Amino acid sequence: KAGVTQTPRYLIKTRGQQVTLSCSPISGHRSVSWYQQTPGQGLQFLFEYFSETQRNKGNFPGRFSGRQFSNSRSEMNVSTLELGDSALYLCASSLATSTSDTQYFGPGTRLTVL
Amino acid sequence: AQKVTQAQTEISVVEKEDVTLDCVYETRDTTYYLFWYKQPPSGELVFLIRRNSFDEQNEISGRYSWNFQKSTSSFNFTITASQVVDSAVYFCALSERAAAGNKLTFGGGTRVLVKP
Repeated sequence: KAGVTQTPRYLIKTRGQQVTLSCSPISGHRSVSWYQQTPGQGLQFLFEYFSETQRNKGNFPGRFSGRQFSNSRSEMNVSTLELGDSALYLCASSLATSTSDTQYFGPGTRLTVL
Repeated sequence: AQKVTQAQTEISVVEKEDVTLDCVYETRDTTYYLFWYKQPPSGELVFLIRRNSFDEQNEISGRYSWNFQKSTSSFNFTITASQVVDSAVYFCALSERAAAGNKLTFGGGTRVLVKP
C-alpha cells in the first residue's frame, strides 16, 4: 500500500505570496491532518479534515486554511506569506474509525519564504 | 490543556550502548493515547508505537521497549544495543479522546546520535 504523499517536496516563495500544498492520504484513510514543524516552535497541529469537513483546528491565524475533497485528498493554503511561515509542513492520514487513530505521516513539504 | 515534555534535547551514545528517552505528559482526560515517532534526516515521521491509557503493560519490539507508568505520567522509550541507523529525532505525542477529531500534541523531541 502506498504511503502518504505530499507535493511539492520543496517550495520557495517570497513574502506576500500565497501557496498551496497538496496531500494524498493512504488508500482507505478518511482523515487528513496537517502539522507545521519549525526549529523554534516544534511540531504544531494546524487542522484536521474528515469527510470534507474541518473537525479540529489549531491555534494559527486565518491565513492558514485547508480543504478536503471527496476522494480524501487534502490541500492546505497559506495566504500573504510571512518569513515566519518557513517550515516543514507535514500531512498525516488515519482511518478515522475513531478519534485518536494512529496517524501516518508523509515526507513533508519544505517551504522557504524569502 | 495537554502537554508533552521531553527533557532531553540531545543524547549521544556509542554503538551498542543502550539509550533511554524520557517522556512526561499532562492531560485532564481519563482516556488518552500516547505515541512515539521517529524522524530520520529525511524528515518523514515514522510511527513506532501507540499505547492507550488503560494499558500499562510494558512492550518490547525487537531492540525497542516502552515503559508506561500512569502514576508518574511517563512513557519512556529504550533502544537496546543502539545502531548507527537509530540516529534520528524521536518524538513522544499525546492524543486525548475528548478532543474533537485527531489531534496530536508533540513533545519537543530528543535527538539521538549513535556513533560507530
